[in-house]
Amino acid sequence: DGGITQSPKYLFRKEGQNVTLSCEQNLNHDAMYWYRQDPGQGLRLIYYSQIVNDFQKGDIAEGYSVSREKKESFPLTVTSAQKNPTAFYLCASSIASPFLANEQFFGPGTRLTVL
Amino acid sequence: AQSVTQLDSHVSVSEGTPVLLRCNYSSSYSPSLFWYVQHPNKGLQLLLKYTSAATLVKGINGFEAEFKKSETSFHLTKPSAHMSDAAEYFCVVSDHPMDTGFQKLVFGTGTRLLVSP
Repeated sequence: DGGITQSPKYLFRKEGQNVTLSCEQNLNHDAMYWYRQDPGQGLRLIYYSQIVNDFQKGDIAEGYSVSREKKESFPLTVTSAQKNPTAFYLCASSIASPFLANEQFFGPGTRLTVL
Repeated sequence: AQSVTQLDSHVSVSEGTPVLLRCNYSSSYSPSLFWYVQHPNKGLQLLLKYTSAATLVKGINGFEAEFKKSETSFHLTKPSAHMSDAAEYFCVVSDHPMDTGFQKLVFGTGTRLLVSP
């Protein structure tokens, strides 16, 4: 089956720890995205990548870092600099085309809780 | 800048009655618009999208939406609600993909649909 997988489903972090959320896709999409979802706020873009070895900050990148070493993978690290990391994190991917309104395909999400 | 407003945070209907979820958008360009659905603790699934073709867009599970430029609206409807429709629904506007080819999605804050027996 083609799709996006995220792991783990639930993650608990202690204050001061860095944690990495995994996102893998087998849709052969060039573009990948990370969003943060908080109750009542919709989804906010953290980082995006349109091609391997390149990525850009989204609207709320502070306290987060990413890498894109492979087309299929776009891991997100939540660093200790992120002051309020408790949230639901969603990874997405899409075709990267300047001419089409491309739907984004979403993974099942990772719920991060700071203890 | 593009923006989207979902006019109701919660909508309650009875099973078998019509559903109306309201969305207004603001866009400097001819927009692309989407509706996504999210079941609890799950990812988002595309219901339908508008990309300047037919103004009445049909989606999955019996949902449809009508693009009304004069009203800057893109309301989601379904003739008869089913219990399985209970979920959160997001209206999304896409800005114009500029030179970078990046097409940013701007999400509304969501409408929670409650369906009672």
